Amino acid sequence: AQKVTQAQTEISVVEKEDVTLDCVYETRDTTYYLFWYKQPPSGELVFLIRRNSFDEQNEISGRYSWNFQKSTSSFNFTITASQVVDSAVYFCALSEAGAAGNKLTFGGGTRVLVKP
Amino acid sequence: DTEVTQTPKHLVMGMTNKKSLKCEQHMGHRAMYWYKQKAKKPPELMFVYSYEKLSINESVPSRFSPECPNSSLLNLHLHALQPEDSALYLCASSHSSSRTSGTIYEQYFGPGTRLTVT
Repeated sequence: AQKVTQAQTEISVVEKEDVTLDCVYETRDTTYYLFWYKQPPSGELVFLIRRNSFDEQNEISGRYSWNFQKSTSSFNFTITASQVVDSAVYFCALSEAGAAGNKLTFGGGTRVLVKP
Repeated sequence: DTEVTQTPKHLVMGMTNKKSLKCEQHMGHRAMYWYKQKAKKPPELMFVYSYEKLSINESVPSRFSPECPNSSLLNLHLHALQPEDSALYLCASSHSSSRTSGTIYEQYFGPGTRLTVT
């Protein structure tokens, strides 16, 4: 069975600090996809990134970067030079290619609070 | 356009009421989803429709009844709900996964309907 663990329930930083969110996953499939979503206080989940299990290249998008390491089953997310607008709950999620219907398994989420 | 719309934004209903939640997308997605999210918890999958057919029902009580009238619309009919059903109900859509290639696509979420059952 697939499982996603986000060990950090809440992180508080001061603006301009970097913050790294941990995500560890478990799956028996060799083909799977990992995702990060942001949920601001308004409630809508915003898609940030999708990564398949065969692509271990790290990715950078503006102030966001992701570190995918299959050897440790981790897909960590870093926000560089955090801003107040980054305050949100961030979810890591996993979907196995063999599962029906694009079923997503979410981690418990990490609440990030960026103080001015 | 990556927009999924949901109506209403807020809904308060009594336990004997019948109401419906609506979801719409115009991204050409053929997979649509209903999730339930309680406070400080991740979303929980309820239903998945693929090509307008119900493909996953996560053992949801029958007081929740989904409907997919066409490829752009998804409804969730509510009847005889309980106070513990109060939650944020999220709709999402995506391209359907490809069994041939194993490709899975990201889901795009609507803003949700905040439901309170009194």
